Amino acid sequence: NAGVTQTPKFQVLKTGQSMTLQCAQDMNHEYMSWYRQDPGMGLRLIHYSVGAGITDQGEVPNGYNVSRSTTEDFPLRLLSAAPSQTSVYFCASSYSRLVRDEKLFFGSGTQLSVL
Amino acid sequence: GENVEQHPSTLSVQEGDSAVIKCTYSDSASNYFPWYKQELGKGPQLIIDIRSNVGEKKDQRIAVTLNKTAKHFSLHITETQPEDSAVYFCAARRRAQKLVFGQGTRLTINP
Repeated sequence: NAGVTQTPKFQVLKTGQSMTLQCAQDMNHEYMSWYRQDPGMGLRLIHYSVGAGITDQGEVPNGYNVSRSTTEDFPLRLLSAAPSQTSVYFCASSYSRLVRDEKLFFGSGTQLSVL
Repeated sequence: GENVEQHPSTLSVQEGDSAVIKCTYSDSASNYFPWYKQELGKGPQLIIDIRSNVGEKKDQRIAVTLNKTAKHFSLHITETQPEDSAVYFCAARRRAQKLVFGQGTRLTINP
């Protein structure tokens, strides 16, 4: 199993551009989520999903959209990139919607810079 | 909502010594406390977790202790090795709420 796969690993955007960060897991996990990691602020939840067709907002959802059309994939879309969205983004999953963010499996991250 | 404070932000210890990282939380109803290890260029990985009905949990050289009265929990690493060098995150959560992470501790093991 590959686990949680994120692409791309690095991305540079100009202010106002849009893009999609990809996340896929091959563990048949029900729960998937996106976090951003900023220096001195730990990991903050952006959006999460407890199953295909179900998404909800986390702590810092503004400027981001998500969808969950399949169990495996959970892309994160930046609609109009801003310098404040410069960060490292992590996708994470866990096996059950019942335990949600317990025992999370993280991807290797996407480092995003917005100029 | 929950607030988690983690200390210290950086920690340097000699190989073979012990390392202790402490986190305090604000919500007395929090009942789940995991610790994650993040190696350079990788995503965080769960190394140990504890629930509020347990005061201590050990896994080889790693242990976590929980003091519910004082609302703090700590990660203890004994006989540290170079591969223990990483950033460590604590987190806390009450039932049906979202996991809240601490700010992280960069641990360096000096040979």
